[in-house]
Amino acid sequence: GDSVTQMEGPVTLSEEAFLTINCTYTATGYPSLFWYVQYPGEGLQLLLKATKADDKGSNKGFEATYRKETTSFHLEKGSVQVSDSAVYFCALSDGGSGSRLTFGEGTQLTVNP
Amino acid sequence: NAGVTQTPKFRILKIGQSMTLQCTQDMNHNYMYWYRQDPGMGLKLIYYSVGAGITDKGEVPNGYNVSRSTTEDFPLRLELAAPSQTSVYFCASSYEGPGGRNEQFFGPGTRLTVL
Repeated sequence: GDSVTQMEGPVTLSEEAFLTINCTYTATGYPSLFWYVQYPGEGLQLLLKATKADDKGSNKGFEATYRKETTSFHLEKGSVQVSDSAVYFCALSDGGSGSRLTFGEGTQLTVNP
Repeated sequence: NAGVTQTPKFRILKIGQSMTLQCTQDMNHNYMYWYRQDPGMGLKLIYYSVGAGITDKGEVPNGYNVSRSTTEDFPLRLELAAPSQTSVYFCASSYEGPGGRNEQFFGPGTRLTVL
């Protein structure tokens, strides 16, 4: 079945540091890939997505590129802020639909001033 | 729009008790979902619905029941609560079809403890 693997956390960075959170997936067909963010005490929010190979999703300074050859969708940000502290989830939807998301375990990010 | 709302926010149950977690969305979305999130884990799909009157099992349906009598509401029922059901429960909705954006919108969650 489908699966998503994220780098183990938690991750602690200083403000303005570079962020990478690794995500690899296993799926049949051509899935859509997503990054969701969960701020403390809140539900998940879509951060960015990519629906086909080589697509780059971007939002709020975050980027991720759909790499079919390495089955990866790593999240990056050039300069993190304290307000980026949250849990980040990589997810996939097989067949390109928003239904039946498969989530990774989540990565806790803490950014210190 | 309020988006996806869930009640209650917190609940403590004794083993064997039953309860219903409420979920309502006001975005006229056709798809709705229930997930559970255990500590340090990703979300697992419990049940989902593709429209009023249609529901289907997800990855971890045992111990739960759902119904979808209207587009707006998708309650989750726990009949005989067990400690293994201690978790945070999230409801979500999405529009699937022409013009859909492949995005699920999540409620704020219900934190359930079974003692």
